[in-house]
Amino acid sequence: DARVTQTPRHKVTEMGQEVTMRCQPILGHNTVFWYRQTMMQGLELLAYFRNRAPLDDSGMPKDRFSAEMPDATLATLKIQPSEPRDSAVYFCASGPNRAYEQYFGPGTRLTVT
Amino acid sequence: GENVEQHPSTLSVQEGDSAVIKCTYSDSASNYFPWYKQELGKRPQLIIDIRSNVGEKKDQRIAVTLNKTAKHFSLHITETQPEDSAVYFCAAAYNNNDMRFGAGTRLTVKP
Repeated sequence: DARVTQTPRHKVTEMGQEVTMRCQPILGHNTVFWYRQTMMQGLELLAYFRNRAPLDDSGMPKDRFSAEMPDATLATLKIQPSEPRDSAVYFCASGPNRAYEQYFGPGTRLTVT
Repeated sequence: GENVEQHPSTLSVQEGDSAVIKCTYSDSASNYFPWYKQELGKRPQLIIDIRSNVGEKKDQRIAVTLNKTAKHFSLHITETQPEDSAVYFCAAAYNNNDMRFGAGTRLTVKP
């Protein structure tokens, strides 16, 4: 049963530190999405890639967030410098080619103090 | 961009009753409408989806209906069970691009 994996599952860091979250999409999926979930804002789309190319990152604060796909098996989301308002659960999701479904990873719970 | 509204925000039903959650969307170009179930501390899980060329889709106790003219779609759960208790999210997208989620409905099924 193939699943999206994410690391770390939990991260506590101090304000100003760099945070890197990693995602391994389901093998063969060519679309990767990053979401942020908070109680106040719900599920927000931050960025997404197709065939490793960024298609849209308009949901991300550009000054501190960056998303990349170094290869087809790894997507990264980086925050530098982190702020307390970045505290949230960050989900990665992947989707197969020529289909619309998205499958979510377990999430990274980030706490910035 | 797309805007998805979801109602109600909370729903409590007795075991065995039906539950209905409704969503509206703003972008007439949207053609894909999935529903996700999220249990506490877990990932959202796709439970059913519908595309704009279909008006209704059913999978055992869950069904989704879509009215493209009115731009709304609904999730129906029949014969609810305590394990159906979770937060349910609707979403809308054009061809899996830029998916927008509703705010979620917390469903509680009382035994």
